[in-house]
Amino acid sequence: NFMLTQPHSMSESPGKTITISCTRSSGSIASSYVQWYQQRPGSAPTTLIYKNFERPSGVPDRFSGSIDISSNSASLTISGLRTEDESDYYCQSYGSGNQVFGGGTKLTVL
Amino acid sequence: QVHLVQSGAEVKEAGASVRISCKASGFTVTSYALHWVRQAPGQRLEWMAWINPGNGDTKSSQTFQDRVTISRDTSANTVYMEMSGLRSEDTAVYYCARNWDYAFDIWGQGTMVTVSP
Repeated sequence: NFMLTQPHSMSESPGKTITISCTRSSGSIASSYVQWYQQRPGSAPTTLIYKNFERPSGVPDRFSGSIDISSNSASLTISGLRTEDESDYYCQSYGSGNQVFGGGTKLTVL
Repeated sequence: QVHLVQSGAEVKEAGASVRISCKASGFTVTSYALHWVRQAPGQRLEWMAWINPGNGDTKSSQTFQDRVTISRDTSANTVYMEMSGLRSEDTAVYYCARNWDYAFDIWGQGTMVTVSP
């Protein structure tokens, strides 16, 4: 099965824009949808993005998703960063009947 | 309202088994796939297994296939995850999650399982 690789940690200032990458190790990133989750300490994850770029109702449009076939990666972009965006972020995809999560990215907003 | 409510925290000795329940409200377990995901302290989310809503077939990650059993009670609208041969590295929060349109859209509150050596 494939792996999804994310940067371990990132930091940025409030009001700025940040992009978190998620690189697929084998097989095309376009062959299965990518989802993104936000997880705050002590809480279950919540869905930010599904099917590469779709946003569930209630998720602000500051959060956007995309895929890039040339780099075989997906990206989560957060614009207008707020201190409450400080969380762990996970990408997820699937293949061969298995679900795969990225290693997670700890975002610090300071 | 749509909820998944899991059973409470467990403390087990190494070698024992644990069974966690996940009760669905606001939808039926025969309509949506339900998955199990765990998270060791400070670690990543790790997918474990799922149960097919239609026929109840299950599939586990290769990591867990020998030790994890997923089952359901449709009359109770509840899914169960049982893990045998517990080891200290199985200490984690275990989540059930509903899968809809490729995403895990509803999560249980998590069940902490602590395995003492």
